[in-house]
Amino acid sequence: DQQVKQNSPSLSVQEGRISILNCDYTNSMFDYFLWYKKYPAEGPTFLISISSIKDKNEDGRFTVFLNKSAKHLSLHIVPSQPGDSAVYFCAASRGGSYIPTFGRGTSLIVHP
Amino acid sequence: KAGVTQTPRYLIKTRGQQVTLSCSPISGHRSVSWYQQTPGQGLQFLFEYFSETQRNKGNFPGRFSGRQFSNSRSEMNVSTLELGDSALYLCASSLEGQGREKLFFGSGTQLSVL
Repeated sequence: DQQVKQNSPSLSVQEGRISILNCDYTNSMFDYFLWYKKYPAEGPTFLISISSIKDKNEDGRFTVFLNKSAKHLSLHIVPSQPGDSAVYFCAASRGGSYIPTFGRGTSLIVHP
Repeated sequence: KAGVTQTPRYLIKTRGQQVTLSCSPISGHRSVSWYQQTPGQGLQFLFEYFSETQRNKGNFPGRFSGRQFSNSRSEMNVSTLELGDSALYLCASSLEGQGREKLFFGSGTQLSVL
């Protein structure tokens, strides 16, 4: 039973355009959400997070949106750069557990 | 500050053997988690250790075990290896308190079981 779903295995975007990565979750108890980025041969690195009390969080070119009623979050990267090409993992955790549940990842390719 | 260090980076074993993977967390981080990553399966949680005690456990068979030492370093052991155990094993450390979900990962150990 997959509680965190990233339904797009891959996404291809032109440099300078917006990249939108989507994530859906099924467990309504999740209250903290994170995005990680992973380059080949490296471990995932934390990118951005959002608490369920917010619906938006920005950090430079990266913005995460949370729609609790739809149990959906998205990561926007504007503008996209070739160095953003990586696998992006969505993760969710619930208060008291702290153990994030990860999605299967979306491979983003940004073309120059 | 040094990051999370995992050794070895690559490992080749045969079915039935056992393997031990090592992880040194970031200095000051007392929580260590282990994840298995296989193609198309994302990161599957194995277990978490804090102060030498297993605090959380994922849904993996008993062949997968771990431990944590007083210096927060952790080891993970897989006994009676199966072909399906071939995966990237990632260790992550984190601080206690708020933001504990923010994990700092090592580069992983790529295990191949032949």
